[in-house]
Amino acid sequence: KAGVTQTPRYLIKTRGQQVTLSCSPISGHRSVSWYQQTPGQGLQFLFEYFSETQRNKGNFPGRFSGRQFSNSRSEMNVSTLELGDSALYLCASSLAGPQGDTQYFGPGTRLTVL
Amino acid sequence: QKEVEQNSGPLSVPEGAIASLNCTYSDRGSQSFFWYRQYSGKSPELIMFIYSNGDKEDGRFTAQLNKASQYVSLLIRDSQPSDSATYLCAVVNSGSRLTFGEGTQLTVNP
Repeated sequence: KAGVTQTPRYLIKTRGQQVTLSCSPISGHRSVSWYQQTPGQGLQFLFEYFSETQRNKGNFPGRFSGRQFSNSRSEMNVSTLELGDSALYLCASSLAGPQGDTQYFGPGTRLTVL
Repeated sequence: QKEVEQNSGPLSVPEGAIASLNCTYSDRGSQSFFWYRQYSGKSPELIMFIYSNGDKEDGRFTAQLNKASQYVSLLIRDSQPSDSATYLCAVVNSGSRLTFGEGTQLTVNP
């Protein structure tokens, strides 16, 4: 079974731009979660989608948004990029969600904001 | 207080030794506990999960959970250089959110 895929793997943007990242979960998985990983803050939860609905949200500003499609693929968008948004963005999928279910991570998208 | 705290690293052990990684969490309603391993430049990969108090063994790895003490640990027996990585403790809290500790960097010296 194919794993979680994320595209693109690397991105370079400048401040003020916006970016869209994509995640395709493992076949059959309906929950997709997004995380931001930085050296200073570690892995931080952004949001979780299940069946096209945002079920949980972390403490990030409204510039960070996401959505999920009927095929469970998910996208996240960051608008008005700031230097501090430079990070590894990871998506993870699971059958039903984080609670009581194992999450499998994709390879990540490394975003650099100049 | 951080939701999930791990013992500060880096941790260095000789090959063949037991590596002990510790984690405490603050939310008493947490029910699911995971250990992930992350190699430099890679994404986290699941090592083990544990839901019930006690020990759970899988090969060279043993996870221990004590909900009364809000404590989770991971023991790696017969440590190998390939075990050198950052180990992340993750807890699903009462809000169904997976929260990670900052990680403990382990180095196994040949």
